[in-house]
Amino acid sequence: AQSVTQLDSQVPVFEEAPVELRCNYSSSVSVYLFWYVQYPNQGLQLLLKYLSGSTLVKGINGFEAEFNKSQTSFHLRKPSVHISDTAEYFCAVSPSSNTGKLIFGQGTTLQVKP
Amino acid sequence: NAGVTQTPKFQVLKTGQSMTLQCAQDMNHNSMYWYRQDPGMGLRLIYYSASEGTTDKGEVPNGYNVSRLNKREFSLRLESAAPSQTSVYFCASSVMAGEQYFGPGTRLTVT
Repeated sequence: AQSVTQLDSQVPVFEEAPVELRCNYSSSVSVYLFWYVQYPNQGLQLLLKYLSGSTLVKGINGFEAEFNKSQTSFHLRKPSVHISDTAEYFCAVSPSSNTGKLIFGQGTTLQVKP
Repeated sequence: NAGVTQTPKFQVLKTGQSMTLQCAQDMNHNSMYWYRQDPGMGLRLIYYSASEGTTDKGEVPNGYNVSRLNKREFSLRLESAAPSQTSVYFCASSVMAGEQYFGPGTRLTVT
């Protein structure tokens, strides 16, 4: 079975500052990893994904994440945040050989302050 | 191209009432999913359908039933609503492992 832990429930940060949202996972098989973003009163949108290959993955809106297999982590980073990045962010894992079911973390609320 | 659509957007039920949440996708995806989202708990899978004609239970299936009507449509039914089913419900679809596309959600309140 797989599990995902997002280490921070809320991350407050000032506009134009860098941010890191932390995600650790547990799995006995190889996995795909994802970050989704949810803006208020909307559904989830895919930010980025790691399937294989380069461990540094770039996504939309200037976000990137690094897959670290030895530490079973997939932290999300952005060098300079905007007010519009205020949202809830979800890390998710999927076994690489299944029907596509996702296991989600509990979510991290990013609050960007002016 | 509408993606994943859900109806209704909002619903208030009384305990014991029944209702069906509708979901449709126009991306020709094989797999479809129903999740519920509760504060501090992320999204939890209720049921999924890997392909037309198949459905399987997810993490929290009790109190729900589903129907994969055809490749496009996947409905979720609450036979006898309970206050514990107050939540936001999301439908999603995917063509490949993991990369899911989500609908806008249905906010359900059971009083």
